[in-house]
Amino acid sequence: NAGVTQTPKFRVLKTGQSMTLLCAQDMNHEYMYWYRQDPGMGLRLIHYSVGEGTTAKGEVPDGYNVSRLKKQNFLLGLESAAPSQTSVYFCASSALRTGIYGYTFGSGTRLTVV
Amino acid sequence: GQQLNQSPQSMFIQEGEDVSMNCTSSSIFNTWLWYKQEPGEGPVLLIALYKAGELTSNGRLTAQFGITRKDSFLNISASIPSDVGIYFCAAPRPGNTPLVFGKGTRLSVIA
Repeated sequence: NAGVTQTPKFRVLKTGQSMTLLCAQDMNHEYMYWYRQDPGMGLRLIHYSVGEGTTAKGEVPDGYNVSRLKKQNFLLGLESAAPSQTSVYFCASSALRTGIYGYTFGSGTRLTVV
Repeated sequence: GQQLNQSPQSMFIQEGEDVSMNCTSSSIFNTWLWYKQEPGEGPVLLIALYKAGELTSNGRLTAQFGITRKDSFLNISASIPSDVGIYFCAAPRPGNTPLVFGKGTRLSVIA
């Protein structure tokens, strides 16, 4: 079982470039999430989706956009990358909105903006 | 508010030692979750707790749901090098909003 797959695993961008991070899950989960992880900051929620065609802002949404055109995919876009967006990005999914059984995470995308 | 405070932030221990860490909040929660993140990977769920006072084990790991419902504890017995990683607590907030995560406890094991 693949679970949650993130692509790419690594990327280096120049300031001002754009890119899209792809998250795909094969568990038929309704709910998907994008987090960023920075040293000492834990996991901070960027955006999330409660179903196909829906998106909502998390704690740190500025500079990012998302789309959920298909239930299994959740895309995170950076329109004009900034060095402050250097981070490790994690996608997660869950079967229940409450999350009481936890989230399944991907293995992350390490993004460096120079 | 509904922040989760984990302590310690980091710890260095000798192989074979027992480890204790905790997660506290000023808010009451009905579920506590513990995750482990190994280097270069995403967090993986270790233990879920659903009842105040509950004690649940997963191998050498034991977690407890505090009786006040404002805290949870994770213990690792007889640590080994593969226990290295960041341990996160998490809890569901009211109103069907996403899980709140603590900032993690980074564990290093010295062989």
